[in-house]
Amino acid sequence: QSVLTQPPSVSGAPGQRVTISCTGSSSNIGAGYDVHWYQQIPGTAPKLLIYANNNRPSGVPDRFSGSKSGTSASLAITGLQAEDEADYYCQSYDRSLSASEVFGGGTKLTVL
Amino acid sequence: QVQLQESGPGLVKPSETLSLTCTVSGGSVSSGSFYWSWIRQPPGKGLEWIGYVYYSGTTNYNPSLKSRVTISVDTSKNHFSLKLSSVTAADTAVYYCARGHNWNPDYFDYWGQGTLVTVSS
Repeated sequence: QSVLTQPPSVSGAPGQRVTISCTGSSSNIGAGYDVHWYQQIPGTAPKLLIYANNNRPSGVPDRFSGSKSGTSASLAITGLQAEDEADYYCQSYDRSLSASEVFGGGTKLTVL
Repeated sequence: QVQLQESGPGLVKPSETLSLTCTVSGGSVSSGSFYWSWIRQPPGKGLEWIGYVYYSGTTNYNPSLKSRVTISVDTSKNHFSLKLSSVTAADTAVYYCARGHNWNPDYFDYWGQGTLVTVSS
């Protein structure tokens, strides 16, 4: 059970907008730690999608955007494409007794 | 272009030590801007950060694994390594090495392809 909670699955039709939430607490996101997002296509390594809440690495389409507020963060994908079907993970840091880099449990995005 | 490649046995017996190496090309483990990390993913499950090593040899480990983990760096060979002792079936996972970019917290911008390690007798 991760300290960062993500919905197990989301879905959307091509062209639509979807959001994936990442809910934490005052010991991680709410403590001011940034949130990063990764995309993992089954059978491949995760790929950095968003870093420091809302920054896209070179090569990531601007259809992907991130935001952070309070103890939560969100990843938004607009203009959904079939190639976006993948697992998405948020990542931050937790300063509780188990101080560590932490990942969310992951969200499976299905493009209908 | 930075590339990372994991290598090591794909099968380890229970109670033994898992050993993996990550060879870096297109970049240097001696760069002071990065932390060299290991991350694992049990089959069908999510990601778990194991720990990192800095070029100086400084390490930081996930508290849940700390008693069994050693990560080291060899700057002369431009690689870093993971040892996980006293393994059980719960340690069966795809093990990834990754470059951690110094931030708050670190983010992982380059990953190896991953290597599946199965713990079984």
